[in-house]
Amino acid sequence: DIVMTQTPLSSPVTLGQPASISCRSSQSLVHSDGNTYLSWLQQRPGQPPRLLIYKISNRFSGVPDRFSGSGAGTDFTLKISRVEAEDVGVYYCMQATQFPFTFGGGTKVEIK
Amino acid sequence: EVQLVESGGGLVKPGRSLRLSCTASGFTFGDYAMSWFRQAPGKGLEWVGFIRSKAYGGTTEYAASVKGRFTISRDDSKSIAYLQMNSLKTEDTAVYYCTRADGDYDILTGTPFGFDYWGQGTLVTVSS
Repeated sequence: DIVMTQTPLSSPVTLGQPASISCRSSQSLVHSDGNTYLSWLQQRPGQPPRLLIYKISNRFSGVPDRFSGSGAGTDFTLKISRVEAEDVGVYYCMQATQFPFTFGGGTKVEIK
Repeated sequence: EVQLVESGGGLVKPGRSLRLSCTASGFTFGDYAMSWFRQAPGKGLEWVGFIRSKAYGGTTEYAASVKGRFTISRDDSKSIAYLQMNSLKTEDTAVYYCTRADGDYDILTGTPFGFDYWGQGTLVTVSS
């Protein structure tokens, strides 16, 4: 199975400041079709997960442009350009390049 | 508007069975693969399994932790996906989420490459 490792575990951020979350996979997520199926999800407190980013850097419908994804191969990053109060929650990376689909352990974003 | 509503959760004893339902609306259900994920209390997310669309035979794939015990099925006429859970264990205690596969598929196999919409989840507690 592909192991997904997220850092940091927790990220206290001042409102209006940027935040960055790293996700590393134990093997390349490049599929034989040339695409990389790495997604980012947000889970606000008491809510179900919500898709933010798919295929490394594509924002899902309705996702604010302060969220951006980047990376390649085994190293990926989610950035929030200016953290707002509604961004508090846990963020997960997920790979769907290979069975079984696997998740990072999650990064908790909280306000300082 | 895409909506997914899970139901059927509850308290069940170890070794017993439970069937979850996911009622979908707002899209042509039969055109999409559907998947189940779960989240144990205070823990992270785990993929459980998915079912391909009928165009790809409605075949299924499962995580090793549930293979042989859980079965996913679908009724496209009712826009419902099911998760039949047998021989339940205490470690199956979790919130179970239904999701819709997004528009990216392996054209040859119908295997989805991502999941866009998630339901609110239903809690399954396995305890004696």
